[in-house]
Amino acid sequence: DVKVTQSSRYLVKRTGEKVFLECVQDMDHENMFWYRQDPGLGLRLIYFSYDVKMKEKGDIPEGYSVSREKKERFSLILESASTNQTSMYLCASRLQGAGGTEAFFGQGTRLTVV
Amino acid sequence: AQSVAQPEDQVNVAEGNPLTVKCTYSVSGNPYLFWYVQYPNRGLQFLLKYITGDNLVKGSYGFEAEFNKSQTSFHLKKPSALVSDSALYFCAVTSPDRGSTLGRLYFGRGTQLTVWP
Repeated sequence: DVKVTQSSRYLVKRTGEKVFLECVQDMDHENMFWYRQDPGLGLRLIYFSYDVKMKEKGDIPEGYSVSREKKERFSLILESASTNQTSMYLCASRLQGAGGTEAFFGQGTRLTVV
Repeated sequence: AQSVAQPEDQVNVAEGNPLTVKCTYSVSGNPYLFWYVQYPNRGLQFLLKYITGDNLVKGSYGFEAEFNKSQTSFHLKKPSALVSDSALYFCAVTSPDRGSTLGRLYFGRGTQLTVWP
């Protein structure tokens, strides 16, 4: 079975903390994505990566950064967590160059910033 | 620009009745279309996709979707709803034009489906 694994299901962090969300996929996919999900707003793309060390800003990159040092791992970093970053975070991966393939999602990380 | 619209935030249907969850899209070129389902506090699960060929595609759990190019729609359907189908459903689109999208999927805002007994 293909798998995208996010390191935590639930996280509680304090305002101002640096937060790392980790995502690992075992499918050798080139593309990886970080989304944020909030009620009524759907999925909003934060960052994506199409290769090791390559990244592109999505629609809401402010306050976030990413790291992709290895193909299988894509990390989302909240440099200084704020309460408005309380949300559900979803990681996904997808094969590149074959437009018809679906994306595979992790189980999500529900982050609460207090 | 590529985008997806799901015009209904909520759909309510009685168990045993047919259900439809609507999706319209905007994309340059030919679309690749997807439906995903999300259960509470879980990630998204793939249901079905349209790439090319027959306009009616069949997917998991008895769901199907009809691609209509003239109406730029890709509605999700099921002939007989189950209470266990209650979940959040997302439509997504991408384009084979790899240079413009780099493999990105564009999602709608989601439709909450409730099936009551």
